[in-house]
Amino acid sequence: GQQLNQSPQSMFIQEGEDVSMNCTSSSIFNTWLWYKQDPGEGPVLLIALYKAGELTSNGRLTAQFGITRKDSFLNISASIPSDVGIYFCAGHWGGGADGLTFGKGTHLIIQP
Amino acid sequence: DAGVTQSPTHLIKTRGQHVTLRCSPISGHKSVSWYQQVLGQGPQFIFQYYEKEERGRGNFPDRFSARQFPNYSSELNVNALLLGDSALYLCASSPGQGSYGYTFGSGTRLTVV
Repeated sequence: GQQLNQSPQSMFIQEGEDVSMNCTSSSIFNTWLWYKQDPGEGPVLLIALYKAGELTSNGRLTAQFGITRKDSFLNISASIPSDVGIYFCAGHWGGGADGLTFGKGTHLIIQP
Repeated sequence: DAGVTQSPTHLIKTRGQHVTLRCSPISGHKSVSWYQQVLGQGPQFIFQYYEKEERGRGNFPDRFSARQFPNYSSELNVNALLLGDSALYLCASSPGQGSYGYTFGSGTRLTVV
């Protein structure tokens, strides 16, 4: 099945650094979502974006819905150890019946 | 309040067997979706159910089926299991069909041997 192009695949950063990851698609979406998944758990919604150009923050997290509706990025400022995990972008066309299309994930690892 | 609950948490089956996975949505949520997550990949959409009717289906073979009950809980059934069906199966619930505030359960880890 289709998956979004998410990069980077993995990131090794120092605690306190800022993180940036992005997601692109060959198709347009009307909704972009960012999730975090910890080992043994399901994905947890971080930020939802509903309008092209929208910039939304949730604490240290900021995400933007690209103008073309084919991309989105997520920034994490001043990373802390609990930010470790896998981050997924997901797009939704609309209507509620076609489900979410996910990226392959960005694995964030924080070095001590 | 209880989140989305899935059972069982882990399961081992033999090729050719049948499996049933269960999901209870958050109280008040009427929509349930199922996703398959193969190791190292993002979740793949299988089904969405809303008000007990199938509203959407991903690119999965007919061996996969599901249903939603009057209390909005749901079952995912997979027949004639293949080794490639080994994955984490995730259930997500949301208040309505057009709502994207999906809350995921912790999943059922299915291993086919």
